[in-house]
Amino acid sequence: NAGVMQNPRHLVRRRGQEARLRCSPMKGHSHVYWYRQLPEEGLKFMVYLQKENIIDESGMPKERFSAEFPKEGPSILRIQQVVRGDSAAYFCASSPVSPFSDRGYGYTFGSGTRLTVV
Amino acid sequence: AQTVTQSQPEMSVQEAETVTLSCTYDTSENNYYLFWYKQPPSRQMILVIRQEAYKQQNATENRFSVNFQKAAKSFSLKISDSQLGDTAMYFCAFRGDSNYQLIWGAGTKLIIKP
Repeated sequence: NAGVMQNPRHLVRRRGQEARLRCSPMKGHSHVYWYRQLPEEGLKFMVYLQKENIIDESGMPKERFSAEFPKEGPSILRIQQVVRGDSAAYFCASSPVSPFSDRGYGYTFGSGTRLTVV
Repeated sequence: AQTVTQSQPEMSVQEAETVTLSCTYDTSENNYYLFWYKQPPSRQMILVIRQEAYKQQNATENRFSVNFQKAAKSFSLKISDSQLGDTAMYFCAFRGDSNYQLIWGAGTKLIIKP
């Protein structure tokens, strides 16, 4: 059973370009979470999605950032007009059930996408 | 607001030694969950061990165990018989019962020397 798959592993974008980060959750997992890790820091929550629904995007900047999890295909985190401050590692995690059904579930994380804006 | 503090940016021990990583947190919730994650150079975030606050017994997973002191809001990780493969960043994370977001510490870089 493949784990959470994220691609690309590394992504370099020039300032002003768009970045698309993909996350395929574990098989059977319909809940996806995106986190951002800045250098020398822990992860920070960005957004929680279920299939076709955004449940909580309170941690995501209101401008330039968007996320989706369509009925078919991976979850996409999209960053428009990237700036140097967007350089970070972006992690995706998934869970098989609602996080309120199993509060102790530690989530399964992918290996992240390291975005570098030059 | 909940916070998680890891006061040791880096630690280094010899192979086969025992090492303890510290973590403190702040919360007003009575029930919550605490986690230790390992992030090796591959960058994969791997769950090492978890503890539920309402359980008094400290969690253990093979060579990994925790010392959970609820009153002191302390959650340290002990690694026994350390191995070269334990070299990684270790993150402490908190989840309140009323939320699903994980709150993370800044991490401790652990180096196991041969």
